[in-house]
Amino acid sequence: SYVLTQPPSVSVAPGQTARITCGGNNIGSKSVHWYQQKPGQAPVLVVYDDSDRPSGIPERFSGSNSGNTATLTISRVEAGDEADYYCQVWDSSSDHGVFGTGTKVTVL
Amino acid sequence: EVQLVESGGGLVQPGRSLRLSCAASGFTFDDYAMHWVRQAPGKGLEWVSGISWNSGSIGYADSVKGRFTISRDNAKNSLYLQMNSLRAEDTALYYCAKGLYSGWSPFDYWGQGTLVTVSS
Repeated sequence: SYVLTQPPSVSVAPGQTARITCGGNNIGSKSVHWYQQKPGQAPVLVVYDDSDRPSGIPERFSGSNSGNTATLTISRVEAGDEADYYCQVWDSSSDHGVFGTGTKVTVL
Repeated sequence: EVQLVESGGGLVQPGRSLRLSCAASGFTFDDYAMHWVRQAPGKGLEWVSGISWNSGSIGYADSVKGRFTISRDNAKNSLYLQMNSLRAEDTALYYCAKGLYSGWSPFDYWGQGTLVTVSS
C-alpha cells in the first residue's frame, strides 16, 4: 500500500516560514491535499491539488509537489497556525485514500 | 451553509455491530462523493470508506473491508456506515466528509464526528 511520510514535528518562530514535507514514492505524479487540524476540531482543507487554496484560506498557505516530496509552506507564521497538518492523496492502484503520518507545528 | 451531522456512535462490545449516519444539508448531496474518515484517540487520520455520487464506485480501507458497508440515500441526503464484527482497534472518532468533486477528491467539508468505542 502507498505510504506518506511526514516529520512528526516542526517548530517555527512567529513571522517566519514553516515548511512541512510529505514524502511518497513518485508523489509528484499525484495530486496532494493538505489539512489543518486544531485540538478538538475537525480537519480543515487548506491546500488541494498540490497548490490550490479553498476560499477563505489565507495566501500564506501554499503548496508544491515534485519528485518524491510534496511541501506545504506557511509564510509569516502566526500563533493561530499551531496545529497538526496532514497530507493526503488517492492511491489509484488500490482506489484508497491515504493520509500522511501528520506533523505537529509548534509556534515558538 | 454546508452541514454534516454524524450520529450513531457509542459503546459497543467486540464482535457486535453499529450503524453510523451522516445527515447532510446546505449543498446538492447527490452531486458529490462522500466519505468516512476516522481518528483513533491521539492518533492520525485514516480514510475508512468512500462512495461516489450515484453509489457506482465504492472503496474501503483494507482494515475494514469485508466488515464495513458504506451506503447513501440521496433522497434523504444521508450517508451511512454499517459496521459489523467490530474490534477494539475500530475505536475512533468517525468523521463524515464531503468530496470537493463528484469523484475521488479532497475532503472540503467535515462533520464534527461521532465517537465509537469498542470494549467489553
